[in-house]
Amino acid sequence: QVQLVQSGAEVKKPGSSVKVSCKASGGTFSSYAIRWVRQAPGQGLEWMGRIIPVLGEVNYAQKFQGRVTITADRSTSTAYMELSSLRSEDTAVYYCAREVVGATGSGYFDLWGRGTLVTVSS
Amino acid sequence: EIVLTQSPGTLSLSPGERDTLSCRASQSVSSSCLAWYQHKPGQAPRLLIYGASRRAIGIPDRFSGSGSGTDFTLTISRLEPEDFAVYYCQQYCTSPTFGQGTRLEIK
Repeated sequence: QVQLVQSGAEVKKPGSSVKVSCKASGGTFSSYAIRWVRQAPGQGLEWMGRIIPVLGEVNYAQKFQGRVTITADRSTSTAYMELSSLRSEDTAVYYCAREVVGATGSGYFDLWGRGTLVTVSS
Repeated sequence: EIVLTQSPGTLSLSPGERDTLSCRASQSVSSSCLAWYQHKPGQAPRLLIYGASRRAIGIPDRFSGSGSGTDFTLTISRLEPEDFAVYYCQQYCTSPTFGQGTRLEIK
């Protein structure tokens, strides 16, 4: 049974970067997409970007364009999300989710990681 | 961007009761691209329903989804203690967006 295992909590200074990993334990990414979604305290869920590892295709939400980099290592079935120029508003729980992509080009998320808390504080 | 509005924000019910959660879209959404999730603190969100009415693998049949156009509903026919959580709807007809969630708490 595949699980998405995320790296542990991070505390970062404003202006620095954070890199969060997401490993498909017990399986591979296969042809799925992996999307990164975050939830700031008291806020809703918002997607940051997506990668389709088998195609190497990446796209980012406009809000995070230029600050986020999503990569994947197919040999270890691990996806990564790096966010730079951190500010206090980036304090949030960051989730990776496996996306079942439909005809619209977007999809639903049939498997999620438990989330990684990133705290940005001086 | 399609905005999803969930109501109520919080619902207090007792085990055994029936629960109906609402998700309204700012524009028409094909019923083939609406999903529901359950989220408990410290856990991974769990897919319940996709395609508006299709139960995900392993989801008990007390969970059902319905709706079309701009109005969608998640119904839990008989609440179990483990059902108390936050529920989110999500559309994927365009770039995915989520509702703000409904918190279901024990009365």
